[in-house]
Amino acid sequence: GAGVSQSPRYKVAKRGQDVALRCDPISGHVSLFWYQQALGQGPEFLTYFQNEAQLDKSGLPSDRFFAERPEGSVSTLKIQRTQQEDSAVYLCASSLTTRVGEQFFGPGTRLTVL
Amino acid sequence: SQELEQSPQSLIVQEGKNLTINCTSSKTLYGLYWYKQKYGEGLIFLMMLQKGGEEKSHEKITAKLDEKKQQSSLHITASQPSHAGIYLCGAANFGNEKLTFGTGTRLTIIP
Repeated sequence: GAGVSQSPRYKVAKRGQDVALRCDPISGHVSLFWYQQALGQGPEFLTYFQNEAQLDKSGLPSDRFFAERPEGSVSTLKIQRTQQEDSAVYLCASSLTTRVGEQFFGPGTRLTVL
Repeated sequence: SQELEQSPQSLIVQEGKNLTINCTSSKTLYGLYWYKQKYGEGLIFLMMLQKGGEEKSHEKITAKLDEKKQQSSLHITASQPSHAGIYLCGAANFGNEKLTFGTGTRLTIIP
């Protein structure tokens, strides 16, 4: 069965480059989340979508981070002018409803900024 | 903001032994999730607890949420190599689906 997929799985960027990370949630899932996981840490919330609406972006660390989900399915997390501190694993999760429930996670994109 | 503290941070256990991982919250838990993560992979859902005193089991893994809903424990019976990985607890807040995670417990199983 199709789970949450993310691409690319690995991304190496030079400092100052822009990157775009893609998330394909499970079909029909209403909620979509982005988390950032630094080495040795638990995931930290970045932003949340309910269908195409971005309801919470309180976790985005700076205005260099931008996320969208224009048609309520696929989502893209864009990071402009990448910095070394942006190096992390970016995890996407989706859930079926808007109530508290199981969040299904993708394998993540490991971003390394040189 | 809610904080979750996990203990221990790392654990080395001989195969076949039992073990317990704890997760303590700074606030009352509305929902408590346990996930497992292997290196280079995403999080695998184990269990979710919502009610004080609730206990759930899956195969050899049992999780409990205490009555006051501020602490949860994950217990593995007769550990196996397949149990190795990082265990993360995550908390949901009332009216808010986003999860706050602990820093994780790295479990190593030795023969």
